[in-house]
Amino acid sequence: DAMVIQNPRYQVTQFGKPVTLSCSQTLNHNVMYWYQQKSSQAPKLLFHYYDKDFNNEADTPDNFQSRRPNTSFCFLDIRSPGLGDAAMYLCATSRETSGRGNEQFFGPGTRLTVL
Amino acid sequence: AQKITQTQPGMFVQEKEAVTLDCTYDTSDQSYGLFWYKQPSSGEMIFLIYQGSYDEQNATEGRYSLNFQKARKSANLVISASQLGDSAMYFCAMREDLSGNTGKLIFGQGTTLQVKP
Repeated sequence: DAMVIQNPRYQVTQFGKPVTLSCSQTLNHNVMYWYQQKSSQAPKLLFHYYDKDFNNEADTPDNFQSRRPNTSFCFLDIRSPGLGDAAMYLCATSRETSGRGNEQFFGPGTRLTVL
Repeated sequence: AQKITQTQPGMFVQEKEAVTLDCTYDTSDQSYGLFWYKQPSSGEMIFLIYQGSYDEQNATEGRYSLNFQKARKSANLVISASQLGDSAMYFCAMREDLSGNTGKLIFGQGTTLQVKP
C-alpha cells in the first residue's frame, strides 16, 4: 500500500507559469518535508512542517511556498518557475524529527520540467 | 566542510558478491542518526537502514548491514549477495538530532552501483 503519494509524477510547466505539486500520506506522521533534487545531485531540503508549524530553510528562494491544510496533505507551490527549477521534487514524512524509529519515508517524487 | 562524503561516484560488483559503499560524516552533535537510501532510476528514495549514534551494535536489515566506526566517523554500507535489482544510486545521509532539531537529512553526493550478471 502506498504510504506517501505524490501527484502528478511528471509535471511540465512553462517559464513563469505557477505550478502546484501535491503530497499526501497515510502514515499520520507529524512531519512533512519537501526536498529538491536536481539532476545528478543530492536532495536538498526546501522546508518542512511539524504539524502546522512551517520551517523554511534559510537558502530556499521566495519563489517556493508550501501549504499544509491538514495532517495528510502538503503542497509545494512554485510561483514563477524558472529554468533552474527543473528538478525532481521529493516529499517525505516522519513521525518525529529525531530519535530511533523516526526515519523519513519518501514518496515517488514529481519530476518537473520547465519549458 | 562537507558533512557527508561519499568518495565513490560509481561502483561495479559481480552478481552474488558482496560490496561496500563508503560514507564518512562530520558533526559536532553527540546525538545523530545515519541513514542509507537507495534511489533507482524511477526516482523514489527507498529507506534501507538506520544507525543511531548511541547504538553499540552495527545495524543489519536483511542483506544490508552498516559498518559503523564512530571514532573514524564512518558508516559504510555492506550489501551481501548482490542482485541485479540492486543496481541504483545509493545515498548516505545524516540527521543531527540536536542542531536545530528539524529532522533535516543531509545527503552525500551518492554512489552509483551497477551489478553485473
